[in-house]
Amino acid sequence: RKEVEQDPGPFNVPEGATVAFNCTYSNSASQSFFWYRQDCRKEPKLLMSVYSSGNEDGRFTAQLNRASQYISLLIRDSKLSDSATYLCVVNGKVKLSFGAGTTVTVRA
Amino acid sequence: DTEVTQTPKHLVMGMTNKKSLKCEQHMGHRAMYWYKQKAKKPPELMFVYSYEKLSINESVPSRFSPECPNSSLLNLHLHALQPEDSALYLCASSQDGGAHPLGYTFGSGTRLTVV
Repeated sequence: RKEVEQDPGPFNVPEGATVAFNCTYSNSASQSFFWYRQDCRKEPKLLMSVYSSGNEDGRFTAQLNRASQYISLLIRDSKLSDSATYLCVVNGKVKLSFGAGTTVTVRA
Repeated sequence: DTEVTQTPKHLVMGMTNKKSLKCEQHMGHRAMYWYKQKAKKPPELMFVYSYEKLSINESVPSRFSPECPNSSLLNLHLHALQPEDSALYLCASSQDGGAHPLGYTFGSGTRLTVV
């Protein structure tokens, strides 16, 4: 079983729509959780950390469910600039584990 | 300064060449990382340096040789690479190794092509 699994998508949504996707992780001892955004041929950039109580940053909401070992990302009022691959990242004891990414395409 | 700087941005090298990738950060981070990323795949960890000591080598072939001259610099020396080594090589840093709540900061990468 992979350490971090994501639905690869693609999620094709119109501007203004809401899109949400999940990621599951296998290591119940994982401590830190992140969503990174990666544009084509660019480096990953931290979008947001994910906290136990859930957290919001503008149009982005992240949730953590430790019991079921998944995290989620919800994007409201999608913009064309939200088109990217979203990487779910889980920090174990000594290193980060990356999901394969979920591709989101927002169309006009 | 909240950046990780990588040079060169692009590199084309022959299979008999020797080249080096460089990475620099001035955020006072004490852990630095090399990742390799192929197209449409997630980054794969290669090496971790923690407090200037190599702490993780993910069974990387010896044709890749990391070096950490000081806490701000990380090099990756390349020798006798194969075409399948062509990829985006990413450097990252974090405040310290392990489960850090602030995650990692990535450099913009070196796109390597081996011919």
